[in-house]
Amino acid sequence: DAGITQSPRYKITETGRQVTLMCHQTWSHSYMFWYRQDLGHGLRLIYYSAAADITDKGEVPDGYVVSRSKTENFPLTLESATRSQTSVYFCASSEGSITGEKLFFGSGTQLSVL
Amino acid sequence: AQSVSQHNHHVILSEAASLELGCNYSYGGTVNLFWYVQYPGQHLQLLLKYFSGDPLVKGIKGFEAEFIKSKFSFNLRKPSVQWSDTAEYFCAVNNAGNMLTFGGGTRLMVKP
Repeated sequence: DAGITQSPRYKITETGRQVTLMCHQTWSHSYMFWYRQDLGHGLRLIYYSAAADITDKGEVPDGYVVSRSKTENFPLTLESATRSQTSVYFCASSEGSITGEKLFFGSGTQLSVL
Repeated sequence: AQSVSQHNHHVILSEAASLELGCNYSYGGTVNLFWYVQYPGQHLQLLLKYFSGDPLVKGIKGFEAEFIKSKFSFNLRKPSVQWSDTAEYFCAVNNAGNMLTFGGGTRLMVKP
């Protein structure tokens, strides 16, 4: 059972480059989320999606773009990466409401922007 | 906007010691409360949750948490920790219509 798959697992990029982090889920959950995890800040919501073609901003959306053309995929793009975007990124899905009562998380992508 | 505070950023305990991790939130209305755990090298997983009813909630692996509405708290407890409990623990809160808000996390190290 695959669950949620994130790729790549690790990524190093340079300032100004575009980077796309992939997220794929096999459960057909309606709701999907992107979080970033930073020391001292816990997890902060970047973007979320309630269904295909429906996305909305979370707490820290600046510098990020998402799309959801298919229910199972929810890629996150950094249009022009900055050092402040160095972080661990987690994708999650929920079978419940948009408030995400029970989230299922992927293994994360560790991104370093040099 | 609601916020979640976890007072202890790092906790070091010896095996068999008792554990209590603090969690306080800012929202005054009806809330749903969660504890998630992230073991080294793994993704986050749900430890326990409270929606309503008995304010003492039992979770997996011997963990429990108590919701005290008057104190806006949802502290996590375990009577006797094991080395395998070494992990990072996140408290999370939402209320109707809001996103899940996570605390900053507490890193627990249990010495064998």
